Amino acid sequence: EAQVTQNPRYLITVTGKKLTVTCSQNMNHEYMSWYRQDPGLGLRQIYYSMNVEVTDKGDVPEGYKVSRKEKRNFPLILESPSPNQTSLYFCASSWDRYGNEQFFGPGTRLTVL
Amino acid sequence: QKEVEQNSGPLSVPEGAIASLNCTYSDRGSQSFFWYRQYSGKSPELIMSIYSNGDKEDGRFTAQLNKASQYVSLLIRDSQPSDSATYLCALKVAGSARQLTFGSGTQLTVLP
Repeated sequence: EAQVTQNPRYLITVTGKKLTVTCSQNMNHEYMSWYRQDPGLGLRQIYYSMNVEVTDKGDVPEGYKVSRKEKRNFPLILESPSPNQTSLYFCASSWDRYGNEQFFGPGTRLTVL
Repeated sequence: QKEVEQNSGPLSVPEGAIASLNCTYSDRGSQSFFWYRQYSGKSPELIMSIYSNGDKEDGRFTAQLNKASQYVSLLIRDSQPSDSATYLCALKVAGSARQLTFGSGTQLTVLP
């Protein structure tokens, strides 16, 4: 089954404790991206990647890191999480290197205390 | 002005009716347009993409694009209670790998 997977799906952590949210796709997609969704603010892009070893900032990159060492994986790293990073996070991928027709993963609900 | 404007709703239609969802945008460089459906607590699901002026039909869904007037719409024919969700309009600027720009969404309720 073609899919984007994220782990963990739910996470409660404390301020300052480094965490990684994994994202993997099995569709051989070129493009991958991370979004956060917050009430009243909608979906906002954090980082995106057009190919292996190519990443760039989206609209809200502060406090996040990413890497794209393999085509299928695009982990999101929070080096020192803060409460304002409490959000619903989605990974997405696209067959198109410009990110048209993105398919979203199931989401990770993160709470930072 | 927001880049992508949607009627926030909520929009209620009776089962079997046509639901009409509208979206306007400000960036004339936008070339790719998408409609996503998002059930509460779930991820956005791509239901339609449209790239050129006119209508595009897929089953009960029809997307309409008018670049001159800068609007894109989604019609859902024979609405079903299972269509009750938030519908997100999104667009991309031509040749840009940056984000999909999303509207705030329209909440649709189809009443049995």
